[in-house]
Amino acid sequence: AQSVAQPEDQVNVAEGNPLTVKCTYSVSGNPYLFWYVQYPNRGLQFLLKYITGDNLVKGSYGFEAEFNKSQTSFHLKKPSALVSDSALYFCAVRYPGSARQLTFGSGTQLTVLP
Amino acid sequence: DGGITQSPKYLFRKEGQNVTLSCEQNLNHDAMYWYRQDPGQGLRLIYYSQIVNDFQKGDIAEGYSVSREKKESFPLTVTSAQKNPTAFYLCASSTGQGAREKLFFGSGTQLSVL
Repeated sequence: AQSVAQPEDQVNVAEGNPLTVKCTYSVSGNPYLFWYVQYPNRGLQFLLKYITGDNLVKGSYGFEAEFNKSQTSFHLKKPSALVSDSALYFCAVRYPGSARQLTFGSGTQLTVLP
Repeated sequence: DGGITQSPKYLFRKEGQNVTLSCEQNLNHDAMYWYRQDPGQGLRLIYYSQIVNDFQKGDIAEGYSVSREKKESFPLTVTSAQKNPTAFYLCASSTGQGAREKLFFGSGTQLSVL
């Protein structure tokens, strides 16, 4: 079964500092991995995805994520956090050929402090 | 939130009542989905539809029903059999296949029990 884990419910970081939001996935084949962001009372917005190729994926709003197969991780990163980055972040996985839609992690609330 | 409209934004259900959440998209997407979001649990798939007049149960379909009579519309009915309906409900649609697939979300409906 496809699954992802986000080990941190909450991440706090000072504005201007680098941020990392962690995600690990279950091992089964070569997954497609995604990051979505949700602002209060809104739907989710796509940030980036990893399908194949370069392990470092660049996405919207200056975010990037690194696929690490040996650690089964797909952590979201940004070199310099903004207060406006404060939101709920979801990691998601889908395995190629699976009839299922995305399976989402439990979410990580990111707060960037001014 | 793209071209996906969910209504109403807030909905209240009385004991024993069925309520219907609307989801309309003008993106010409074949596939549509309903997710339920509870705090700390991420998104869980209720139902999905890959094509008109066809839909499949997700992980938590009990107490819910859907229809897909038109490509643009995928309403969700929360029946009286759903004993814990209070949650944030998100509708999504997707384009592309496999690696090119990407989810677009509506802005959600908050359902509460009176």
